[in-house]
Amino acid sequence: AQSVAQPEDQVNVAEGNPLTVKCTYSVSGNPYLFWYVQYPNRGLQFLLKYITGDNLVKGSYGFEAEFNKSQTSFHLKKPSALVSDSALYFCAVRSLSSGSARQLTFGSGTQLTVLP
Amino acid sequence: KAGVTQTPRYLIKTRGQQVTLSCSPISGHRSVSWYQQTPGQGLQFLFEYFSETQRNKGNFPGRFSGRQFSNSRSEMNVSTLELGDSALYLCASSLVAGNYNEQFFGPGTRLTVL
Repeated sequence: AQSVAQPEDQVNVAEGNPLTVKCTYSVSGNPYLFWYVQYPNRGLQFLLKYITGDNLVKGSYGFEAEFNKSQTSFHLKKPSALVSDSALYFCAVRSLSSGSARQLTFGSGTQLTVLP
Repeated sequence: KAGVTQTPRYLIKTRGQQVTLSCSPISGHRSVSWYQQTPGQGLQFLFEYFSETQRNKGNFPGRFSGRQFSNSRSEMNVSTLELGDSALYLCASSLVAGNYNEQFFGPGTRLTVL
């Protein structure tokens, strides 16, 4: 069964500093990886995805993520954090293997707080 | 283009009742997925529909069911509600099912079971 681990429930960073939100995955076959963000009382918003090709993926709002196949990781990064980036971040994976692997599986989420 | 809409936004029910939630996908999207979000279990996949057919189902009891109509709108039904069904139910749409397309989420329906 496929799975996603977000090892940090909470990440705090000062405004203007770089931020990293960690994600590791386990899947059969090639992974399709996604990052979503959720603001309070809202649904999830898509940030970026990795399908194939360049390991560094750029997404919305200045976020980027690096795919590392050997470490099965897909960490989310931003060079300079904003207070408005404070939200709940979810990593997700799916593959094209059969059955339940085709569903989108989410990590447990990481609460990012950017301190002014 | 209008986003994914879910109705109602809030619901309060009592144990034993049943509830129907509705989701209208983004125009042109043919795949609709449903998720349950709770503080304890996080985001859990319920089911995915494409062209009125259920393509995938998560590990939920049979009390949870869904369907998709020819216009791609979807409903999910929960019968014999339990306290543990209290959650945010999220609907997401995408162009097609089960591939690399990102999903677009609605604001959710907050269900409270008393």
